[in-house]
Amino acid sequence: GENVEQHPSTLSVQEGDSAVIKCTYSDSASNYFPWYKQELGKRPQLIIDIRSNVGEKKDQRIAVTLNKTAKHFSLHITETQPEDSAVYFCAASPTGTASKLTFGTGTRLQVTL
Amino acid sequence: NAGVMQNPRHLVRRRGQEARLRCSPMKGHSHVYWYRQLPEEGLKFMVYLQKENIIDESGMPKERFSAEFPKEGPSILRIQQVVRGDSAAYFCASSPLLAGIKNIQYFGAGTRLSVL
Repeated sequence: GENVEQHPSTLSVQEGDSAVIKCTYSDSASNYFPWYKQELGKRPQLIIDIRSNVGEKKDQRIAVTLNKTAKHFSLHITETQPEDSAVYFCAASPTGTASKLTFGTGTRLQVTL
Repeated sequence: NAGVMQNPRHLVRRRGQEARLRCSPMKGHSHVYWYRQLPEEGLKFMVYLQKENIIDESGMPKERFSAEFPKEGPSILRIQQVVRGDSAAYFCASSPLLAGIKNIQYFGAGTRLSVL
């Protein structure tokens, strides 16, 4: 089955700096890669996603890149703000038919003033 | 659209009791997924259901756990004879039936189960 690894487990950046979180996956059948943000005690919320026919996608301060050959994808947050502080999870899934998400272990991002 | 609704939000049970967790998917969604999150860990897939069918239960423990999604009413995750190791947050997610479209899953607020 699919295995998703995520690094780093914790990340501390100063406000205004960029943050990068990296994930690798093992199953070449995976072709949908969402990123979720989870604040303490709250539900995971989808912040951006990418399909394997696209190498990069951007939404304001958030971007995701995908290297399907190397089986890795990354989340980039620019101009970080204190409200970006949360745990971020990457996930992978095959598409075509609805299927389970396999999640990484999470990255705790702390944006300091 | 009210979003994915889970109840109760918090559930306390003593060892040996039963826990029933409910999930109502978003309107128009016909796929329901259950995930478990242990403290300081990621989400682990448990089971995927459509109305009246279990599609994938590869993440469900072999004993004490069961799930259903009846024709009418919410999806239910049932844990019999709970043990302390069952203490976790249980999240439900739903997605629409749109063939060929990326599998966007929307999560509920979760049920936090504490076993005393």
